[in-house]
Amino acid sequence: AQSVAQPEDQVNVAEGNPLTVKCTYSVSGNPYLFWYVQYPNRGLQFLLKYITGDNLVKGSYGFEAEFNKSQTSFHLKKPSALVSDSALYFCAVRPRVDSSYKLIFGSGTRLLVRP
Amino acid sequence: DTGVSQDPRHKITKRGQNVTFRCDPISEHNRLYWYRQTLGQGPEFLTYFQNEAQLEKSRLLSDRFSAERPKGSFSTLEIQRTEQGDSAMYLCASSLVPGFTSGNTIYFGEGSWLTVV
Repeated sequence: AQSVAQPEDQVNVAEGNPLTVKCTYSVSGNPYLFWYVQYPNRGLQFLLKYITGDNLVKGSYGFEAEFNKSQTSFHLKKPSALVSDSALYFCAVRPRVDSSYKLIFGSGTRLLVRP
Repeated sequence: DTGVSQDPRHKITKRGQNVTFRCDPISEHNRLYWYRQTLGQGPEFLTYFQNEAQLEKSRLLSDRFSAERPKGSFSTLEIQRTEQGDSAMYLCASSLVPGFTSGNTIYFGEGSWLTVV
């Protein structure tokens, strides 16, 4: 079965420190990979995506993600965390062979950035 | 703002009542999706439309659920005879699909919270 794993329910980091939110996937072929962020009682906001090419993808709000094909991972990173980055982060994949384009989401990781 | 719009944002209903949610996608987007998200979980796919055609429905979409997109623009999601297990956030999303291999992004609305009491 196709799945996305976010192994950490919560990540705690001090403001100014680098952050990493982990994501691994089990999907056949080379899927498209996405990160979304969700603030309390809000919908999902698109952060970045990997389609092809450079393994390091840059997105909104200073976030970037590193694709590792051999480890089937797509970890989200930011060099210097802000308190305002505190939110729920979702990794999602879309199989290239699926014409519906629907996304398969992980269970989410709550990021808490303390001042 | 020309993002995905959903209405109502919050709905509290008694068990057994019917509810309807509306979604207005980004104007040029031909794909429209419905997802459901419960507390502590990621969104789960329910159904999607290409223009006015409903092309796929998840097994999560029981026969009490019906979705329409009559003119290929806005969409409605109706839940009949609501149950407490239907309490969730219902997310609408849209995308533009020019080609099969496109990596086009799916953009989500703010969601509609349903509480069944």
